[in-house]
Amino acid sequence: GQQLNQSPQSMFIQEGEDVSMNCTSSSIFNTWLWYKQDPGEGPVLLIALYKAGELTSNGRLTAQFGITRKDSFLNISASIPSDVGIYFCAGLYNFNKFYFGSGTKLNVKP
Amino acid sequence: DGGITQSPKYLFRKEGQNVTLSCEQNLNHDAMYWYRQDPGQGLRLIYYSQIVNDFQKGDIAEGYSVSREKKESFPLTVTSAQKNPTAFYLCASGPGQGIRVHAQIQYFGPGTRLTVL
Repeated sequence: GQQLNQSPQSMFIQEGEDVSMNCTSSSIFNTWLWYKQDPGEGPVLLIALYKAGELTSNGRLTAQFGITRKDSFLNISASIPSDVGIYFCAGLYNFNKFYFGSGTKLNVKP
Repeated sequence: DGGITQSPKYLFRKEGQNVTLSCEQNLNHDAMYWYRQDPGQGLRLIYYSQIVNDFQKGDIAEGYSVSREKKESFPLTVTSAQKNPTAFYLCASGPGQGIRVHAQIQYFGPGTRLTVL
């Protein structure tokens, strides 16, 4: 199967800071998704990206479909305590199957 | 309210017992999936179904069984043959007809945490 590398694995930030995380692969993907999972809950879809170079926002969240189609980035601006959770990427390979990253765990200090 | 429900939220099982996890969706989705999540790991696919009365094994199907008698329901049974069943189990569904089952955007339920005592 295809490998998606998410980084960083975890991060500790201060409330109000901006956050960046990414998902990379050696393969080309056709769609990128970003999910957020609160502790003890199921993942919730945040943003879907369908075209190389696409930049999409959802409130304080902004995600980009990398121009090489091998990566995607998620930024969170002005973080707040409720941003705590695990952020997953998922990439659609060959229009055939979604592969999931292993997640970035975000901790926000008030 | 449209959505995916999983029950129970927490489940405790003694070794050697089978246990069934419920997943129901009222989104009229054709495809349904079961994943297992362990700490620090990504999601691993157990079983999936694209249509009623049909289902396929995922990457880690050993020790699990499913049924799909109704479009809305996709229960997962964790059998005594599953060597390490303690985990967080996630059910998901996908909307597209005519789209390859693994190419569908998946919407997840709230999960069931199973603990074997």
